[in-house]
Amino acid sequence: EAGVTQSPTHLIKTRGQQATLRCSPISGHTSVYWYQQALGLGLQFLLWYDEGEERNRGNFPPRFSGRQFPNYSSELNVNALELEDSALYLCASRLSPGPHEQYFGPGTRLTVT
Amino acid sequence: TQLLEQSPQFLSIQEGENLTVYCNSSSVFSSLQWYRQEPGEGPVLLVTVVTGGEVKKLKRLTFQFGDARKDSSLHITAAQPGDTGLYLCAGAKSGGGADGLTFGKGTHLIIQP
Repeated sequence: EAGVTQSPTHLIKTRGQQATLRCSPISGHTSVYWYQQALGLGLQFLLWYDEGEERNRGNFPPRFSGRQFPNYSSELNVNALELEDSALYLCASRLSPGPHEQYFGPGTRLTVT
Repeated sequence: TQLLEQSPQFLSIQEGENLTVYCNSSSVFSSLQWYRQEPGEGPVLLVTVVTGGEVKKLKRLTFQFGDARKDSSLHITAAQPGDTGLYLCAGAKSGGGADGLTFGKGTHLIIQP
């Protein structure tokens, strides 16, 4: 069974540009979570999508947004990129409703110059 | 506010030694997960503990959830170089994962051969 996949692996953007990151959950999982892992800050919860709807978001500005498609894949958009947005962005999927376990993809390394 | 405090932050020991990593909080969690993360990769789920006082074993790794569901520990017996990595604890505060997972900053573990 394929795990969570993310693309691209690496992304380099300049300040002010927009970035789009993509995630495909484990087959059968309907919930997708996005996390930011910045150096020294640990993993921070960004967004939760379930059944195509945004269910909750963490303490991040509105320029972090996303959506979930009918096939449960998801994309994260970051507008007006700032240098401090440089981080590893991780997507996780969960069988919902069900146990709390979240399974992570390999991440997208976003570098803003 | 860091809701989950992990200690120690860094640990370097010799192969064959035992070690314990702690994850503490003033908050109650409905479940707690432990992950291991390799550089440049996503976290890999090791275990989920749900019941206060629960103990789970995974080969040489023993995980315990505190009676009050506010803390957890990971004990490794006879550590091996393959155990090297970043160990993360993550708590789910609500059922259904509505708040996303709250992560500790992790314990960087190095096992010297």
